[in-house]
Amino acid sequence: EPEVTQTPSHQVTQMGQEVILRCVPISNHLYFYWYRQILGQKVEFLVSFYNNEISEKSEIFDDQFSVERPDGSNFTLKIRSTKLEDSAMYFCASRSGTGYNEQFFGPGTRLTVL
Amino acid sequence: ILNVEQSPQSLHVQEGDSTNFTCSFPSSNFYALHWYRWETAKSPEALFVMTLNGDEKKKGRISATLNTKEGYSYLYIKGSQPEDSATYLCAFDSGNTPLVFGKGTRLSVIA
Repeated sequence: EPEVTQTPSHQVTQMGQEVILRCVPISNHLYFYWYRQILGQKVEFLVSFYNNEISEKSEIFDDQFSVERPDGSNFTLKIRSTKLEDSAMYFCASRSGTGYNEQFFGPGTRLTVL
Repeated sequence: ILNVEQSPQSLHVQEGDSTNFTCSFPSSNFYALHWYRWETAKSPEALFVMTLNGDEKKKGRISATLNTKEGYSYLYIKGSQPEDSATYLCAFDSGNTPLVFGKGTRLSVIA
């Protein structure tokens, strides 16, 4: 069964460093998302991506964040200068199209900023 | 700001017990309500997409109901097994915006 994959599973970085989180969505899906969950809190939306551009972003997704779909298969989230409060589990999700179809989630990348 | 609440926050049950938990969400701008099952270190797994008021869906021992007028959904697990231990997330879908999640209910089934 097709699945969303994410790498790495765990990333430890120093404050101020750049990180790139990678996702491979399900191949025929058209809509892509990044969410995050800070420990003990709700899963929060960061950004959605459709047709090679951002379709919506939350207030969390400031200028330090960017997304890219460089080659038609990978979907990346870049954090330019990490802060301690960026420590969270980052989930990628994809869905096939409009309608009631569900979003399929990857297993997440746990980002720890020291 | 959309608010999705789940209760209880955590639950411990004995193997064989049946259990249920609640997701409450805004009753306006409703499009769908999603239930996910999330085991540690794995991807959240889609259980149900609830769309119509009065919907009841079932997958094995797990079922869910939906009341869009009053803004709640129940998830039921009949005869809980240790492998049901997970966090159960609900997410409100208003159609044109991203999913808004509750905090989840953490279920532990004790053998």
